[in-house]
Amino acid sequence: DIVLTQSPGTLSLSPGERATLSCRASQSVRSSKLAWYQQKPGQAPRLLIYGASSRATGIPDRFSGRGSGTDFTLTVSRLEPEDFAVYYCQQYGSSPKTFGQGTKVEIK
Amino acid sequence: QVQLVQSGSEMKKPGSSVKVSCQASGDTFSNYAISWVRQAPGQGPEWMGGIIPLFRTANYAQKFQGRVTITTDDSTSTAYMELSSLRSEDTAVYYCARDKGIHDSSGYHYGYFDYWGQGTLVTVSS
Repeated sequence: DIVLTQSPGTLSLSPGERATLSCRASQSVRSSKLAWYQQKPGQAPRLLIYGASSRATGIPDRFSGRGSGTDFTLTVSRLEPEDFAVYYCQQYGSSPKTFGQGTKVEIK
Repeated sequence: QVQLVQSGSEMKKPGSSVKVSCQASGDTFSNYAISWVRQAPGQGPEWMGGIIPLFRTANYAQKFQGRVTITTDDSTSTAYMELSSLRSEDTAVYYCARDKGIHDSSGYHYGYFDYWGQGTLVTVSS
């Protein structure tokens, strides 16, 4: 199984700052089939990015994704109050689909 | 707008089984696959398996093979996930999600998840 390691575990930032989240895979993710999700307490995950860099419907352009092979990044250009949450990466290039353990973005 | 509505919380004894339902609306049920994902307290999500309603074929993560069964009822646009031989480690929130995989010459390849149910908490405790 492909293991996804997210870093850092927690990111403490202020509204308006830039957030950079990392997702590293234990082996190459085929065809950059990597997605990012945002999850708030008590809610289901929400799709942000698929195909490493394509924004899902309705996702603001302050969210961007990039990367290929084993290294992927999610960037939030300017944090809004509603962006403080936990973020997960997921690979779907190989079975079984696997998720990272998450990065919590908290208010500093 | 696709909506996935799941059944309510369950409390189960170790060794028993649980069956969670997921009713879809807002799009043709047979047009897409449904995956089941669970999330234990404080952990990342974990893909359990999925089903293509059109073909009634299910695919399971090896970890759950033999313990999980995913089925559909086209007449009610409902997917079901049954997990047997429950243990305390199965305590988690179980989600259904619309799967945006692709079909090619070698079959269906499960993908990412664009719509999710609200989640069903399953607690396994003696």
